[in-house]
Amino acid sequence: GAVVSQHPSRVICKSGTSVKIECRSLDFQATTMFWYRQFPKQSLMLMATSNEGSKATYEQGVEKDKFLINHASLTLSTLTVTSAHPEDSSFYICSGTRRGHEQYFGPGTRLTVT
Amino acid sequence: DQQVKQNSPSLSVQEGRISILNCDYTNSMFDYFLWYKKYPAEGPTFLISISSIKDKNEDGRFTVFLNKSAKHLSLHIVPSQPGDSAVYFCAASGGAGGTSYGKLTFGQGTILTVHP
Repeated sequence: GAVVSQHPSRVICKSGTSVKIECRSLDFQATTMFWYRQFPKQSLMLMATSNEGSKATYEQGVEKDKFLINHASLTLSTLTVTSAHPEDSSFYICSGTRRGHEQYFGPGTRLTVT
Repeated sequence: DQQVKQNSPSLSVQEGRISILNCDYTNSMFDYFLWYKKYPAEGPTFLISISSIKDKNEDGRFTVFLNKSAKHLSLHIVPSQPGDSAVYFCAASGGAGGTSYGKLTFGQGTILTVHP
């Protein structure tokens, strides 16, 4: 149990366009979902925390107008990178938690902005 | 400010031997600790966790030890297998009511290579 999927797994977009990444908990209801990004050979950095039906809480330094998060249901959260630029190229990973501290991660989305 | 640190970027171990991965933390509000395994271009996979009220938790070949006074935890893998080769991240979370409750702070990761 505790499977999380992400779609797409890879996306290439042109600078200035927007990209939406979906995160779904397949076999559990995720009361909270988290979005991370990981740069090459670095750790996972938490971007934002989202609870179903409420606004996301962003970590310091993360632009909320650039990284739009919607947590429409207990099984779906989306991250939209608006007006993407090459420096937004990264590996984006979501996670869901059903209770307690354990987070279950999706497989990640590789975003490349050209 | 790196609150969770894995000071060894890499570790190489012979198959069948013990792998010991270390992690230190600075935030005394952390009260739950987790280890994740990660392959390139994939999301982390949960391995094992430990609450601050314990000093040891065991699950099969994996054992996590917590030394609260030293703010140190370690993951032992015995016996190590080539399939264990991956990046291992330790992560920490705060207690209920705190600002870091439910959020995970990750270390930098340690690349474990198990040689046949």
